[in-house]
Amino acid sequence: GAVVSQHPSWVICKSGTSVKIECRSLDFQATTMFWYRQFPKQSLMLMATSNEGSKATYEQGVEKDKFLINHASLTLSTLTVTSAHPEDSSFYICSAPPTSGSGSYNEQFFGPGTRLTVL
Amino acid sequence: DAKTTQPPSMDCAEGRAANLPCNHSTISGNEYVYWYRQIHSQGPQYIIHGLKNNETNEMASLIITEDRKSSTLILPHATLRDTAVYYCIVRVALNSGYALNFGKGTSLLVTP
Repeated sequence: GAVVSQHPSWVICKSGTSVKIECRSLDFQATTMFWYRQFPKQSLMLMATSNEGSKATYEQGVEKDKFLINHASLTLSTLTVTSAHPEDSSFYICSAPPTSGSGSYNEQFFGPGTRLTVL
Repeated sequence: DAKTTQPPSMDCAEGRAANLPCNHSTISGNEYVYWYRQIHSQGPQYIIHGLKNNETNEMASLIITEDRKSSTLILPHATLRDTAVYYCIVRVALNSGYALNFGKGTSLLVTP
């Protein structure tokens, strides 16, 4: 099946710094990508929808100025956590919905996740 | 998307079948039943999906009741590597371009 990668797989940063997380579709194009956040022992929560060539759509309660999303190309979306604080520590996961060329159009492809720890 | 109800946790002995139930009494006619799982600290993994017929693949079987108000995911011979949180998700076909709405899922523990 199609592959979605994330980089980095984990990151530790100081409070107040910004962290960029990349999400790449490796063998298919993704005009839309989704960003989820998962706190310990909780389920995945959708943060935002990343759209290539247009602004991201944020879920209620997610600060768009804090979580900057850039969908620069059909294979890359980035999430930047600006001025990170300890409460932003979480597991961030991206996904891309299927396309007609993926061969498995009923799957949604998830990245392996990025563990962010803010000290 | 229709709401789903799953037991919070289940245990299963290694080598035995794991039967994970899901209730989705408000499912609409055009909504599919999808199952994903998430092994600790990894991204979710697709398992199987179905509309109204029972389905089987190399990972699992999906049994959907005739009224479509509930379903059961069956892992025929559970292994320790099947320990994960299993999510039952009901929604229209994925190529509609919408995100998946994850509930709390069932935490399956496979024991030796």
